[in-house]
Amino acid sequence: DTGVSQDPRHKITKRGQNVTFRCDPISEHNRLYWYRQTLGQGPEFLTYFQNEAQLEKSRLLSDRFSAERPKGSFSTLEIQRTEQGDSAMYLCASSPRRLAGGYNEQFFGPGTRLTVL
Amino acid sequence: QKEVEQNSGPLSVPEGAIASLNCTYSDRVSQSFFWYRQYSGKSPELIMSIYSNGDKEDGRFTAQLNKASQYVSLLIRDSQPSDSATYLCAVNSSPLGTQGGSEKLVFGKGTKLTVNP
Repeated sequence: DTGVSQDPRHKITKRGQNVTFRCDPISEHNRLYWYRQTLGQGPEFLTYFQNEAQLEKSRLLSDRFSAERPKGSFSTLEIQRTEQGDSAMYLCASSPRRLAGGYNEQFFGPGTRLTVL
Repeated sequence: QKEVEQNSGPLSVPEGAIASLNCTYSDRVSQSFFWYRQYSGKSPELIMSIYSNGDKEDGRFTAQLNKASQYVSLLIRDSQPSDSATYLCAVNSSPLGTQGGSEKLVFGKGTKLTVNP
């Protein structure tokens, strides 16, 4: 049973460039989440997919950010016109279909560390 | 603003002692509570989930929940140097076993624990 995978693990880019990150959830997990974490802070929620539908978006997700999960499997997060403030760890998590009385347990991937110069 | 508060520490305990980590939350409708362990430079790892008042034990870990006081804690018995990490408390308000409500986790900033040999 492989865990959540993310690619790339590290990305260094110049301000103003576009970047795209990929997340592959645990197989058979129909729910997928993106979070952002900066140094000394806990992860902050960005967006949530159930299958291919994007059901929640944080106000943190500005117009420069877009996420997709076209076939309900892997997901991509794109940041356009990157700014230095976008430097952070971008974390993807997945969780299985919710069972009656079940928790919303989310399992995180290794993250993509973005540095914007 | 729904908040999760943790003492940032650092909390330092000797090897073999009990480490006690605390978390308070502001949203009274919160339903599920999670503890994640995060080693430096790594992603969060789920170690405990709890949704009912009282204690839940798993090996050396015990999670305690008091919804009336909006308080959740994590006890680590027989602490080991390998337990040295940042512990993140996370809260979800989605009703158990349903599709309603927000699926996001709201995290505290984490408590850094150091276990001294």
